Amino acid sequence: EVQLVESGGGLVKPGGSLRLSCAASGFTFSSYSMNWVRQAPGKGLEWVSSISSSSSYIYYADSVKGRFTISRDNAKNSLYLQMNSLRAEDTAVYYCARLTIFGVAYDYWGQGTLVTVSS
Amino acid sequence: QSVLTQPPSVSAAPGQKVTISCSGSSSNIGNNYVSWYQQLPGTAPKLLIYENNKRPSGIPDRFSGSKSGTSATLGITGLQTGDEADYYCGTWDSSLSAGGVFGGGTKLTVL
Repeated sequence: EVQLVESGGGLVKPGGSLRLSCAASGFTFSSYSMNWVRQAPGKGLEWVSSISSSSSYIYYADSVKGRFTISRDNAKNSLYLQMNSLRAEDTAVYYCARLTIFGVAYDYWGQGTLVTVSS
Repeated sequence: QSVLTQPPSVSAAPGQKVTISCSGSSSNIGNNYVSWYQQLPGTAPKLLIYENNKRPSGIPDRFSGSKSGTSATLGITGLQTGDEADYYCGTWDSSLSAGGVFGGGTKLTVL
């Protein structure tokens, strides 16, 4: 059974940093591109960042470019998101999501971890 | 402002059929596959439809998807109270970053 379990969320002050983790199991993690998608309270889904299976290709939404860094450790079946210079508008539930092999949809999602940026 | 446009809400009675529209442009829906996601209250999104009209294993055939030009539609037949959720369409956009784009979501109420 595919499982994605996020951790690392919490309350942080504006300008602060936080590192999210996503532990994957039930599939060959090293074969899939992985993504972070967030959802602000009461709002819709927003893609944040993606990383290819071997970390060769990395992309960011303009809203987080230069502040967030995505990475993965295939030996540990883990995905990470380092978030720096956090702003109030980064407050959201952050989901890790697996991209299908053919890259056409996000087929598995974690339960999400809440990040709250507030003074 | 979402790249893809969905109605904020739709409603129908149990047992009835409902459709949810998703409108885009040639840079997104017009040239890419569309997927649909169901988000039950307080839970993570779940893939319902991929490649415009395919259902993952375990998704009942009450759910269907279609695409025409720059628009896509999710159909749900035999509505159940358990179908009350937010529904999101998603695709890719060749004019934006490499990540996916989503509609603003549609709240389905089963009266």
